Amino acid sequence: GAVVSQHPSWVICKSGTSVKIECRSLDFQATTMFWYRQFPKQSLMLMATSNEGSKATYEQGVEKDKFLINHASLTLSTLTVTSAHPEDSSFYICSAREDFPSGRSGEQFFGPGTRLTVL
Amino acid sequence: GQNIDQPTEMTATEGAIVQINCTYQTSGFNGLFWYQQHAGEAPTFLSYNVLDGLEEKGRFSSFLSRSKGYSYLLLKELQMKDSASYLCAVRDYDYKLSFGAGTTVTVRA
Repeated sequence: GAVVSQHPSWVICKSGTSVKIECRSLDFQATTMFWYRQFPKQSLMLMATSNEGSKATYEQGVEKDKFLINHASLTLSTLTVTSAHPEDSSFYICSAREDFPSGRSGEQFFGPGTRLTVL
Repeated sequence: GQNIDQPTEMTATEGAIVQINCTYQTSGFNGLFWYQQHAGEAPTFLSYNVLDGLEEKGRFSSFLSRSKGYSYLLLKELQMKDSASYLCAVRDYDYKLSFGAGTTVTVRA
C-alpha cells in the first residue's frame, strides 16, 4: 500500500521558535496533501490543503502567516509553525491523495503524525 | 459545511459485535470513510462507501444510506486490540475529509 512518512515524529521547542514538519509520499505522487491538527481526545481538524506548485488553501480560522505550507515537489509538503506558543502544542498529521490515473478512489493516506510540544 | 455525529463511547465484551452509527449532513457528498485510531497514532483506513449498501472486509463491515445520511461500522468477533477510537469521515467534491469526533470503543475480557 501507499506509504506516507512524517519527520520528525516528535519535537519539543521553546516558545517563540519555529518548527518545520515534513510530509513525504514514499511510493506515489501526490499533487494534493492535507494538514490536520488533533488536540487530545478530539478529532482531526483540517488546517489546510497543500497543492504542489501553488499556494495552500487554509480553512477558516487557521492563520496562514503562522502555519506556512510549502509543497515544493510531488512527494513533499512542509508545514512550518512560526513563533510557536504553548497553545500550538498538538498532534499534527498530514495525508496525501494519490494522483490519478491509478485506478484508486483518490483515497488519502495518512502519515504517522508529529507530536509538537512548545514549552 | 459538514455536520457529522457519532456516539462518544461504546463498551463491549471480547467476542461480541458492536455497531457504531454515524449520521451526517453535508453540502457535498463524495464518499464516506471509517478509520481506526489508537492513542497517539495516526488514523488507519478501515473502509470506504460511496454507493448505498454494505461493504464487508473480514471482521469489519460498513453500511451506507445516502438518502438517510447514515452509515454504520460493524465490528464482529471483537478482540482486545480493537479497543481504539473509530472515526467517521465524509469526503466532499474537493476531496477534503471532515471527521466526526470519534467513538472510543473499549473491549473488555
